[in-house]
Amino acid sequence: DGGITQSPKYLFRKEGQNVTLSCEQNLNHDAMYWYRQDPGQGLRLIYYSQIVNDFQKGDIAEGYSVSREKKESFPLTVTSAQKNPTAFYLCASSMSIPTYGYTFGSGTRLTVV
Amino acid sequence: AQSVAQPEDQVNVAEGNPLTVKCTYSVSGNPYLFWYVQYPNRGLQFLLKYITGDNLVKGSYGFEAEFNKSQTSFHLKKPSALVSDSALYFCAVREGGATNKLIFGTGTLLAVQP
Repeated sequence: DGGITQSPKYLFRKEGQNVTLSCEQNLNHDAMYWYRQDPGQGLRLIYYSQIVNDFQKGDIAEGYSVSREKKESFPLTVTSAQKNPTAFYLCASSMSIPTYGYTFGSGTRLTVV
Repeated sequence: AQSVAQPEDQVNVAEGNPLTVKCTYSVSGNPYLFWYVQYPNRGLQFLLKYITGDNLVKGSYGFEAEFNKSQTSFHLKKPSALVSDSALYFCAVREGGATNKLIFGTGTLLAVQP
């Protein structure tokens, strides 16, 4: 079945460490997105990519980095510069067609220990 | 700029009663509107969308939404609520233009009491 897979489901990070969250899709979607969700809050866009080897900052890109070397993959690195990284991270993908919605992964919960 | 608003942080309804989760939007041009549901510690799941045509859109799990152009609203409805409908609901509008991103509302927590 086609879908979008995020791993790991739970991730623990020590202070000062970089960690990378994986997002893989086999839907042949052009665009991919990373969102951050904090308890009781909505979704905030971190980065998005509409095509391979190109990506744009979202609303809260500071302390995060991404790459898009393959159409299927859009990993997110949470760097030590991100001062409050504990959150639920969601990856999504979509065709670049206005009538098309997003398909979401099941999320990664990152906790700083 | 495109935007979407969900005026209620939480909606409480008794099981078996009808439910409505409100959404209003602001767009230039034709709106492409979406509803998603999120269960705890899960990703968002697509419920339904309005692109064009009939103002009443039917979706998954017995949900429907009514598009009202004059009131710029796209309210989510269900005739008879279930306890299992308790979740976080997000309304979204397609941004259009070069980016085509979805703009999400802040979410409404639906609590259905037995």
